[in-house]
Amino acid sequence: DSGVTQTPKHLITATGQRVTLRCSPRSGDLSVYWYQQSLDQGLQFLIHYYNGEERAKGNILERFSAQQFPDLHSELNLSSLELGDSALYFCASSVTAGSIDTQYFGPGTRLTVL
Amino acid sequence: AQSVTQPDIHITVSEGASLELRCNYSYGATPYLFWYVQSPGQGLQLLLKYFSGDTLVQGIKGFEAEFKRSQSSFNLRKPSVHWSDAAEYFCAVGLNTGFQKLVFGTGTRLLVSP
Repeated sequence: DSGVTQTPKHLITATGQRVTLRCSPRSGDLSVYWYQQSLDQGLQFLIHYYNGEERAKGNILERFSAQQFPDLHSELNLSSLELGDSALYFCASSVTAGSIDTQYFGPGTRLTVL
Repeated sequence: AQSVTQPDIHITVSEGASLELRCNYSYGATPYLFWYVQSPGQGLQLLLKYFSGDTLVQGIKGFEAEFKRSQSSFNLRKPSVHWSDAAEYFCAVGLNTGFQKLVFGTGTRLLVSP
């Protein structure tokens, strides 16, 4: 158990819908990262938040957004869902943001878009 | 651009035999390197990491990896594989270009035969 929690574990929804994925980092970690794992794209970095502020964006679609709240939990919002958004979404956390730090991953949320 | 190559998509090893999983990276600066393991239906678990210093690093579950700068490689090894090691293994390079980001390889699926 990494100490990173993600809810829900599974999510099944329809095209065009909107969902919210939630992540709670390890106690004491200020950074939260979101990754998408799909069969065709592999594991890809989406976005990074540090202490409530967005620090970096990767291959994140405009239909996707995220935020980190004062209690440091984070939410990833996916809207206007398409079949191709079906994937495993991971959250990771680390202590710092300014230097390379070990990222600890949660168990993931499996999103299925029908 | 930074990249990580895991040339073997699948590897089958007999239980008790030794294992080596290959990882090559492309990155201009000194890399920070990681190996993660993903068991079926599970999240990513950190096996080991290399930041600096001794190029042979020890990890959990009896794994080790050796950083070879001249070959741009960070191969994962285990002297004797157990059936419970069957999983997918990901090599990643950590980038610190003003923000943290992990770039993952495509993964190697390890099958263990009796």
